[in-house]
Amino acid sequence: SQQGEEDPQALSIQEGENATMNCSYKTSINNLQWYRQNSGRGLVHLILIRSNEREKHSGRLRVTLDTSKKSSSLLITASRAADTASYFCATDRSSGNTPLVFGKGTRLSVIA
Amino acid sequence: DADVTQTPRNRITKTGKRIMLECSQTKGHDRMYWYRQDPGLGLRLIYYSFDVKDINKGEISDGYSVSRQAQAKFSLSLESAIPNQTALYFCATSDFRGHGYTFGSGTRLTVV
Repeated sequence: SQQGEEDPQALSIQEGENATMNCSYKTSINNLQWYRQNSGRGLVHLILIRSNEREKHSGRLRVTLDTSKKSSSLLITASRAADTASYFCATDRSSGNTPLVFGKGTRLSVIA
Repeated sequence: DADVTQTPRNRITKTGKRIMLECSQTKGHDRMYWYRQDPGLGLRLIYYSFDVKDINKGEISDGYSVSRQAQAKFSLSLESAIPNQTALYFCATSDFRGHGYTFGSGTRLTVV
């Protein structure tokens, strides 16, 4: 069963704008990770945030985590056409050493 | 060479045929995974292996089997392919912490 659910399912913005994607999950976690997938290609790891962290930055990416609400957000600032891709959140389970469970993803289109 | 190599990249097979998808990795990681991606459903875990002697079923293992031939090699087999196994299949690997999976480029399988 899906642990994470991304929102929105699809997002279309103009180049230069910021893009925000949200992820909700169901059970307690050790960490939450975000991945990017270009059309039909393998997923690429973007960033990991631990359950005891609230915010993390990497370049133009900003991730927040609210464990009380079981939710996370990924912000891409000053988007570029090359950011067009699908973005997935993935979580483990704090109950044990378990594989990642992925959400269904958000399809981001950045229009030049 | 890619860190995770999947073969074949594309395959069309007939219902009832046995097919093997192969995965090899050069990351030196113990953990390997097989996921399946269907449009709108995200990635779902088929099987995973935390070391050479460890094999575990995932969310959707029915109709599939795996073999961990070595630390670097993890193969997925469809014993008798059926059309609803048409999907994009990904192999991934991670270190013991499960931080930052590395994915292969995927195998697009069509069962006719």
